[in-house]
Amino acid sequence: DTAVSQTPKYLVTQMGNDKSIKCEQNLGHDTMYWYKQDSKKFLKIMFSYNNKELIINETVPNRFSPKSPDKAHLNLHINSLELGDSAVYFCASSQEGLAGGFTNEQYFGPGTRLTVT
Amino acid sequence: KQEVTQIPAALSVPEGENLVLNCSFTDSAIYNLQWFRQDPGKGLTSLLLIQSSQREQTSGRLNASLDKSSGRSTLYIAASQPGDSATYLCAVLSGTYKYIFGTGTRLKVLA
Repeated sequence: DTAVSQTPKYLVTQMGNDKSIKCEQNLGHDTMYWYKQDSKKFLKIMFSYNNKELIINETVPNRFSPKSPDKAHLNLHINSLELGDSAVYFCASSQEGLAGGFTNEQYFGPGTRLTVT
Repeated sequence: KQEVTQIPAALSVPEGENLVLNCSFTDSAIYNLQWFRQDPGKGLTSLLLIQSSQREQTSGRLNASLDKSSGRSTLYIAASQPGDSATYLCAVLSGTYKYIFGTGTRLKVLA
């Protein structure tokens, strides 16, 4: 029973194309994230969403547009793909609410390996 | 600006050794710190989470400690096994919705 799932697992596309990655979590969490892991394995946050609202946007190019139709889903659409977008993209979720006793522990999806040629 | 570094970047040890992985962060105002494991080509698996008010957490052969004032956390792995080979990442919750990840330590345990 997968907690955080992403589709597709692999995505190979050409420069200039538009593509989407989907993420779903069945943990009942209210916060979801997108991370990018580059070729050197460094993991960097891109976006945070809480209750479908954008909270964090880490100076990501506006070619990247996240969309959260509901609390369980956070999709990532990328326009005009560039070679430098090649990376592994991870979705994660957590339950925010430190004051309410939640730990904010993050749960990660399996990742989507995007290759732009 | 919060920065997180991990030392060493890579580590190779014989099976059975006890080992320590280090994580340092520049801003002590964190909510919690989480240790993850990442196997090649896979996602991240949460190992331990330490709240800012805690000093350590234990799970099986793993023990993580946190010293907020000095900006340090250590992950102690007892009696290492080849199956422990992976990349270990620490992440600090710096701001309510913002996790900052370290650079990772690639561990190889030799049989």
